Amino acid sequence: QVQLVESGGGVVQPGGSLRLSCAASGFTFSTYGMHWVRQAPGKGLEWVAFIRLDGSHEYYADSVKGRFTISRENPKNTLYLQLNSLRPDDTAVYYCAKDRLNHLLPPEYWGQGTLVIVSS
Amino acid sequence: QSALTQPASVSGSPGQSITFSCTGTSNDVGGYNYVSWYQQYPGEAPRLMIYDVTNRPSGVSNRFSGSKSGNTASLTISGLQAEDEADYYCSSYTSSGTLEFGGGTKLTVV
Repeated sequence: QVQLVESGGGVVQPGGSLRLSCAASGFTFSTYGMHWVRQAPGKGLEWVAFIRLDGSHEYYADSVKGRFTISRENPKNTLYLQLNSLRPDDTAVYYCAKDRLNHLLPPEYWGQGTLVIVSS
Repeated sequence: QSALTQPASVSGSPGQSITFSCTGTSNDVGGYNYVSWYQQYPGEAPRLMIYDVTNRPSGVSNRFSGSKSGNTASLTISGLQAEDEADYYCSSYTSSGTLEFGGGTKLTVV
């Protein structure tokens, strides 16, 4: 079965950086696009970024463009999100999610998430 | 403020049918048949319940159904059960090449 396991969350100061990882299993990782979606405490879901199956194209929400970078290592079945210039409003649970295809569609499967807290 | 508009809360009694709405524009919900619905329990990850407006993934109860009219998509739960009490989110592809989510609707089964 599809498994997505995020890691790398933690507490970071404003202006700091963090790299999140997502280990994928149970499907052929290199044949699907992948997303990051976040959820601030007590709030709704916010799409963050998408990367095509071969890493050829990346797409970002305006709120993170220029600060966050999505990437993937297909031989390692791993998705990444580099978070730079972090702000308190970036505090959220960050979910890794699998696309149904490679078309930037609403995700099919989600990991359990990793919590990022931006605070001094 | 979310780009897709959902009512903050709805309530229903066991056995009833209940419908959630998700209103967007012709640039998202109205322009594409790429609307999905998710169920989320507190502290858990979202679960896909409906994709491409009307399709149910394997394992999802046939009590859940989806539809769309114009710029508004809908999720209907028939035969409401206590276990359906959760938050429900809609999501749509957009003409900007991004995804949007609604603000979510909290379902209370009374």
